[in-house]
Formats: sequence, structure tokens, C-alpha cells
Amino acid sequence: DTAVSQTPKYLVTQMGNDKSIKCEQNLGHDTMYWYKQDSKKFLKIMFSYNNKELIINETVPNRFSPKSPDKAHLNLHINSLELGDSAVYFCASSQDLADQYFGAGTRLSVL
Amino acid sequence: GDSVTQMEGPVTLSEEAFLTINCTYTATGYPSLFWYVQYPGEGLQLLLKATKADDKGSNKGFEATYRKETTSFHLEKGSVQVSDSAVYFCALSPQGNTGGFKTIFGAGTRLFVKA
Repeated sequence: DTAVSQTPKYLVTQMGNDKSIKCEQNLGHDTMYWYKQDSKKFLKIMFSYNNKELIINETVPNRFSPKSPDKAHLNLHINSLELGDSAVYFCASSQDLADQYFGAGTRLSVL
Repeated sequence: GDSVTQMEGPVTLSEEAFLTINCTYTATGYPSLFWYVQYPGEGLQLLLKATKADDKGSNKGFEATYRKETTSFHLEKGSVQVSDSAVYFCALSPQGNTGGFKTIFGAGTRLFVKA
């Protein structure tokens, strides 16, 4: 039973499209995150939600909008996709300030 | 600001060789320190951690010691296996913030182990 699951695993789309990535955790954690990993494996936090409230919002274009309908879900919507958005996006969760558990990632390719 | 620097890869070793991956950090006070591992096609998994100076984290034969005097948290393993091939990330969480919220990751070090 997967602890942190993301869908889809792969996403190929054209520039200018709008797409969403979904994330769900069944660990009962109250904090969820989105990270972006570039082609050189560098991992950068984008957003963090604690109990459905946004607590970290790094310097991310406002084309990216996270949505947390409940504590177990944190979805990422991206408008007007650009070539530079191609990356692997990871969702993660933790209980308060404890260790983070990561999903398997969504590989986004913008053509 | 806080940061993590780890040795550039890739690191290529033969099976049963000794592994060291260097990691140094910049942070105020006493951050918590972590090593995460990412196997091909998977997300990151916590490998080990240390939350105060001189603590040693260990798991699956890997270990790292929190050295405040040298601001380091080097990862070591006495005898690597092919299955250890992965990308290893050193990370820190600022003091009073263990693991969650604002964790800062190093750039990752890719390890290849040959049979």
C-alpha cells in the first residue's frame, strides 16, 4: 500500500497547455510538500502546506498553483506550461517537523 | 542563508569497496542533518539522520557523524554492494525544525557500484 502516491507518473504535453498533478498520502501526516528536481538532480522546494494552510511558497511563477482540499491531498496545477517547466516533480509528506516521505515522482516533459 | 555542499559525482566503486561521500553545511545554531537516498525511478527515502552534535546516524550499514567543529556530516559505508547504486542527498533542517517544513538539500551525489 503506497504511502505517498502521485499521478500521473509521466506527463508529456505541449507548451501553453494547462496540466495538473495529484498527490495523496495515507500516512495521516499533516504537512505536505511539492519539490522540483531538475535534470542535474538538484531538488528545490516549491510549496508546503500544513493542515491545508500554505506555509512555504518559494519563488515560483504564479502559473503554479497548489491546492489542498484536505490534509491527505495536495495537488499542483500548472498554467501555460513552458519548456523550462520540464522536470521531475515530487510530492512529500511529514508529521509536523518530522522526517519526510516522498512519492515516486511525476516526470513532466513540455514539448 | 543555510546551505549544503556535497561532493560532486559520479562516484564509481567496485563491490566491497569503502565509500565516503563528503557533506558540509552552513547554518546558524544546531540544525538537524540527514542523508536521503534516491534509487532509479523512485522518490527519495530517508537513510539516516542526526539531530545534535556528535550524534551518529546509521542504517543499512551506512553511517554519518554530526561534526559541529567541521560543520560536516560525511556518509560512509565499509563495503558497498551493487544494490547501493543510487543518488545520495545530504540535507539539513534549521535548528528547531527537524525534518519538516524548510529542509535544504544538497545537489546529490550519484554512486555507481560495479560487480
